Amino acid sequence: GAVVSQHPSRVICKSGTSVKIECRSLDFQATTMFWYRQFPKQSLMLMATSNEGSKATYEQGVEKDKFLINHASLTLSTLTVTSAHPEDSSFYICSARKATVGGYTFGSGTRLTVV
Amino acid sequence: DQQVKQNSPSLSVQEGRISILNCDYTNSMFDYFLWYKKYPAEGPTFLISISSIKDKNEDGRFTVFLNKSAKHLSLHIVPSQPGDSAVYFCAASVRDSSYKLIFGSGTRLLVRP
Repeated sequence: GAVVSQHPSRVICKSGTSVKIECRSLDFQATTMFWYRQFPKQSLMLMATSNEGSKATYEQGVEKDKFLINHASLTLSTLTVTSAHPEDSSFYICSARKATVGGYTFGSGTRLTVV
Repeated sequence: DQQVKQNSPSLSVQEGRISILNCDYTNSMFDYFLWYKKYPAEGPTFLISISSIKDKNEDGRFTVFLNKSAKHLSLHIVPSQPGDSAVYFCAASVRDSSYKLIFGSGTRLLVRP
């Protein structure tokens, strides 16, 4: 099977600090990874598409300087929330694409709370 | 602009009966559709998918129907089980170079024992 590990599962940070979230594909190579954000009882909103070795493609309205994405290898993508504010508190989920039917595997998500 | 819509935020069915979850889309360029099951504070789990060249795909208790002319798809679960209680998301993608998924807002399914 395809497994995606996302770490940490939950984090609390102070306003103004930065937080890094890691997303790893454990048993396959993922040329493309995706980062989503989910507010309570709402949909998963795509933030950006991360391609190995190139710059991420951000969706409209997502600040690329605030949400830094790095996809340095075929198995690791990171999302760094810089200068976090309480409104950044949310559930962040990564996904890695494998070239098979239904080939999007999701991480278990990260609950970020900014205090 | 919501390209993928799930107009029913919740659905309650009796155990053993059929659950029908609906999804509408507006982008005619979507060519691949997926259904995911999600529990709180967890990532979505893939259930079943369908390509736009098909109108039905079945996998055990789960069947997805696609009506391209109506831009509508539905997920049928039969028989429904209490363990099916979760939030169900439909998602769609365009097989361009991005392969990104666009999600609907989800439907919370409750299967009553």
